[in-house]
Amino acid sequence: GQQLNQSPQSMFIQEGEDVSMNCTSSSIFNTWLWYKQEPGEGPVLLIALYKAGELTSNGRLTAQFGITRKDSFLNISASIPSDVGIYFCAGRVPQGAQKLVFGQGTRLTINP
Amino acid sequence: NAGVTQTPKFRILKIGQSMTLQCTQDMNHNYMYWYRQDPGMGLKLIYYSVGAGITDKGEVPNGYNVSRSTTEDFPLRLELAAPSQTSVYFCASRPGVGGLSGYTFGSGTRLTVV
Repeated sequence: GQQLNQSPQSMFIQEGEDVSMNCTSSSIFNTWLWYKQEPGEGPVLLIALYKAGELTSNGRLTAQFGITRKDSFLNISASIPSDVGIYFCAGRVPQGAQKLVFGQGTRLTINP
Repeated sequence: NAGVTQTPKFRILKIGQSMTLQCTQDMNHNYMYWYRQDPGMGLKLIYYSVGAGITDKGEVPNGYNVSRSTTEDFPLRLELAAPSQTSVYFCASRPGVGGLSGYTFGSGTRLTVV
């Protein structure tokens, strides 16, 4: 099946640093999504990207849909303690029912 | 706003036992999904439904069954629990229109099979 490779798997940074993570795939996706998951909760949508080349921001978060439609990245600027969590990329399967394929996640830890 | 509600939050099963994971949404969403999340991994689709009375297999359906008798409810059934089914299970729903921004997840059910 289709797979997404997300990197890095984990990050340990100082508060205030910028963060960058990415997802790549051997398959084309029509939509890329970035989610954040906190302990004991389900994923919460951060940013949705619908068009190749699209660059979208949500506060300190910026995400881009790669031109090849096989990759996407997420940047977090000036990290704060509440950014801690696991970040997942997801791609929408081109066939019907809007099924999603998820990356393995990037666990973000912030030292105050 | 309740959103997507999953019960129970935690459950321990013995090998061979059966159980039903409940999922209810109050947003009148047509599409509903069941995913499982193994440690250190992303979510994998088990089953999905595009509307009441219609269900289909996802990527990892073996060992599970679903039904969709109403728009609101999408229970996931494990008939003969196996250790490989130890995981966190997430239910999700989304409306029939409006893109993927309406994709809403429940808070999960953590299942351990011993």
